[in-house]
Amino acid sequence: DIQLTQSPSFLSASVGDRVTITCRASQGISSSLAWYHQKPGKAPKLLIYAASTLQSGVPSRFSGSGSGTEFTLTISTLQPEDFATYYCQQLNTYPVTFGGGTKVEI
Amino acid sequence: EVQLLESGGGLVQSGGSLRLSCAASGYTFSTFAMSWVRQAPGKGLEWVSGIGVDGVTINYADSVKGRFTTFRDNSQSTLFLQMNSLRAEDTAKYYCAKNSGSSRRDPFHIWGQGTMVTVSS
Repeated sequence: DIQLTQSPSFLSASVGDRVTITCRASQGISSSLAWYHQKPGKAPKLLIYAASTLQSGVPSRFSGSGSGTEFTLTISTLQPEDFATYYCQQLNTYPVTFGGGTKVEI
Repeated sequence: EVQLLESGGGLVQSGGSLRLSCAASGYTFSTFAMSWVRQAPGKGLEWVSGIGVDGVTINYADSVKGRFTTFRDNSQSTLFLQMNSLRAEDTAKYYCAKNSGSSRRDPFHIWGQGTMVTVSS
């Protein structure tokens, strides 16, 4: 199975900060990576797919990059509503796997 | 509006069975792959299963293979997860998710609200 390692696991930041989360895959997954965030008590929400494509309706402050084994999610200017846990997901190879999550605390 | 509504969760004894349903509305159910994802209390996301539009192509996580069965009724726009031989470690909130396309490898762009399954040992 492909393991996804997210770093950091926990991040404390302030409104207006630029935030970067990294996701590393145990083997190459091309660009088959998606990013989600999940607020407490809610279902996950798709932010980015195909490593760098912004899902419709998601604010442009979110961006993704990378291919192969290393990927990043960047929030250019952190907003209060961005408090959430962020997960990466690989869809290149079965079983589909998720990273362990990065909790962003404002 | 696209909506997914899960049901069927509850409390069950170890070794027991449950069937989860996910009723879809607001789109042509038969043309999109579907998936199940679970989340144990306080833990991260775990993919459980994915099913293609034909209902024949199905994949499972090793942790549930041989115990869980995913199937779909395209005429009723409903996805199902039959869970047998349940274990305490299956305790989780179970989400159904709509893949963004017909492939099981498309991202999960719509999620239900989840249904909680608790397995007592």
